[in-house]
Amino acid sequence: GDSVTQMEGPVTLSEEACLTINCTYTATGYPSLFWYVQYPGEGLQLLLKATKADDKGSNKGFEATYRKETTSFHLEKGSVQVSDSAVYFCALLNTGTASKLTFGTGTRLQVTL
Amino acid sequence: NAGVTQTPKFRILKIGQSMTLQCTQDMNHNYMYWYRQDPGMGLKLIYYSVGAGITDKGEVPNGYNVSRSTTEDFPLRLELAAPSQTSVYFCASRTQAGDYGYTFGSGTRLTVV
Repeated sequence: GDSVTQMEGPVTLSEEACLTINCTYTATGYPSLFWYVQYPGEGLQLLLKATKADDKGSNKGFEATYRKETTSFHLEKGSVQVSDSAVYFCALLNTGTASKLTFGTGTRLQVTL
Repeated sequence: NAGVTQTPKFRILKIGQSMTLQCTQDMNHNYMYWYRQDPGMGLKLIYYSVGAGITDKGEVPNGYNVSRSTTEDFPLRLELAAPSQTSVYFCASRTQAGDYGYTFGSGTRLTVV
């Protein structure tokens, strides 16, 4: 079945450092890929998405490129801020009944001054 | 616009007790989902619904039941609470067509003792 593998956290960075959170997937067909962010005490929010190979999703300075050849969707940001501290989830959605999302285990990011 | 509303936010249950986690959305979304989030395990799908009167099992349905009598409401029932059901529960919804993004509620933190 479908699966998503994320790098384990926590990831601790200083403000203005570069961020990469690795995400790889296993799926049949051509899934859509997502990054969700969860701030403390809140539900998940969609951060960005890509629906086909070579698409780049971007939002709030974060980017991720759908790489079919390496089955990857790594999250990147050039300069993180303290306010980016959160848990980040990679997810995939395959077409089919109810379009259910499959999530990775999440990566906690802590940004310090 | 409230989005997806979950109640209660926190609950402590004794083993063997029952409770219902409430979820309601005001976006007229057809698809609704219940996930549980365990530490380091990502989100696992419990049940989902593609419309009023239609529900189906996800990855981890044992110990839970759902109903969908209206488009707006999708309650999750725990009949005989067990410690293994200690988790954070998220309800989500999405529209049928177009953007695949889910809207999540803020979660219910349940502890079974």
